[in-house]
Amino acid sequence: EAGVTQSPTHLIKTRGQQATLRCSPISGHTSVYWYQQALGLGLQFLLWYDEGEERNRGNFPPRFSGRQFPNYSSELNVNALELEDSALYLCASSQGQGNEKLFFGSGTQLSVL
Amino acid sequence: AQSVTQPDIHITVSEGASLELRCNYSYGATPYLFWYVQSPGQGLQLLLKYFSGDTLVQGIKGFEAEFKRSQSSFNLRKPSVHWSDAAGYFCAASMDSNYQLIWGAGTKLIIKP
Repeated sequence: EAGVTQSPTHLIKTRGQQATLRCSPISGHTSVYWYQQALGLGLQFLLWYDEGEERNRGNFPPRFSGRQFPNYSSELNVNALELEDSALYLCASSQGQGNEKLFFGSGTQLSVL
Repeated sequence: AQSVTQPDIHITVSEGASLELRCNYSYGATPYLFWYVQSPGQGLQLLLKYFSGDTLVQGIKGFEAEFKRSQSSFNLRKPSVHWSDAAGYFCAASMDSNYQLIWGAGTKLIIKP
């Protein structure tokens, strides 16, 4: 069974550009979570999608947005990139609620120059 | 405000030696507590969790953690580390299993041969 897959592995952008990150959950999982992991910091919750709807949002500006597709895959979009957006972006999926049920992808390393 | 603190950014341990990674939480009530491991190039993996009951929790890969209410701590231990244990270790907490996790900044474990 394939795990949570994220693409691309690495992404290099310049300030002001837009970045699109993708996540494919484990088959059968309907919830997708996005986290930002900046260097030296713990994971910061970004977004939670379930059954195609945004269910919760972390304390991030509106230029961080996303969506979940009918096949439960998800995109994270970051507009007007800033230097401090450089981080590892992690996606997790779960079937049903419960933090112990989260399965994580290996992340997309976004570098903003 | 709720928080999770991992006081050690890096820890170096000789292979075969014992390990203890510290985690302290600040919550109004006893939270649900988790330890995750992040190996290079891999997603976060749940090592163990504490919800209630026995304060000594056994996890995967030979790890255990002890919940101490009086010290607001949930330290991770392993009696004898292996080189493959070199990774980032993250402590996290939530008010219940379905609430968003609050993460510590992580401790990087370095294994000396």
